[in-house]
Amino acid sequence: AQSVTQPDIHITVSEGASLELRCNYSYGATPYLFWYVQSPGQGLQLLLKYFSGDTLVQGIKGFEAEFKRSQSSFNLRKPSVHWSDAAEYFCAVGAGGSYIPTFGRGTSLIVHP
Amino acid sequence: DSGVTQTPKHLITATGQRVTLRCSPRSGDLSVYWYQQSLDQGLQFLIQYYNGEERAKGNILERFSAQQFPDLHSELNLSSLELGDSALYFCASSVVSLLDTGELFFGEGSRLTVL
Repeated sequence: AQSVTQPDIHITVSEGASLELRCNYSYGATPYLFWYVQSPGQGLQLLLKYFSGDTLVQGIKGFEAEFKRSQSSFNLRKPSVHWSDAAEYFCAVGAGGSYIPTFGRGTSLIVHP
Repeated sequence: DSGVTQTPKHLITATGQRVTLRCSPRSGDLSVYWYQQSLDQGLQFLIQYYNGEERAKGNILERFSAQQFPDLHSELNLSSLELGDSALYFCASSVVSLLDTGELFFGEGSRLTVL
């Protein structure tokens, strides 16, 4: 079965600084990979996804992620963080017959002014 | 606004009781998924329905059941509630198959508190 690890429970950055959130997955073949964001009191929203092809994926709100097969990683990056980016970020892997996403435990992003 | 509607937003009940959570998917979406989000377990997949039929099952307890109706709305029934069932329950929907887009559209969740 597939699994996802997000090693960082909390990440604190200053507004305007760059950001990288880590995600490692476990699956035998090439999975579908996702990053979702959950703002306080809201449901999850898809930021970006990787199915195949170019390993650098662009998403909404200025986010990007890079799939590295050799490291089983799919890290999320943003060059300059805004205060409104403070939220919970979830990495997910979809695999198997149904491709229903399995989510990591999430990383809480705190943005200092 | 994702287009997925969940009711109620908040629910407080006692142990041993039964509750029903309701979800209306986005217009046109045939698949509905239920997830449970708790502090100790994270976001756990419970069950999926597609066009009225159960399609996949995750970590759903026997005390929990779900169904999808002809108008495609879904209900999650939780019975014999325990303190540990306190969580945020999300409904999500997708177009047809996750093989096509992979994207789930989430509602805002129903927060269940069991006292």
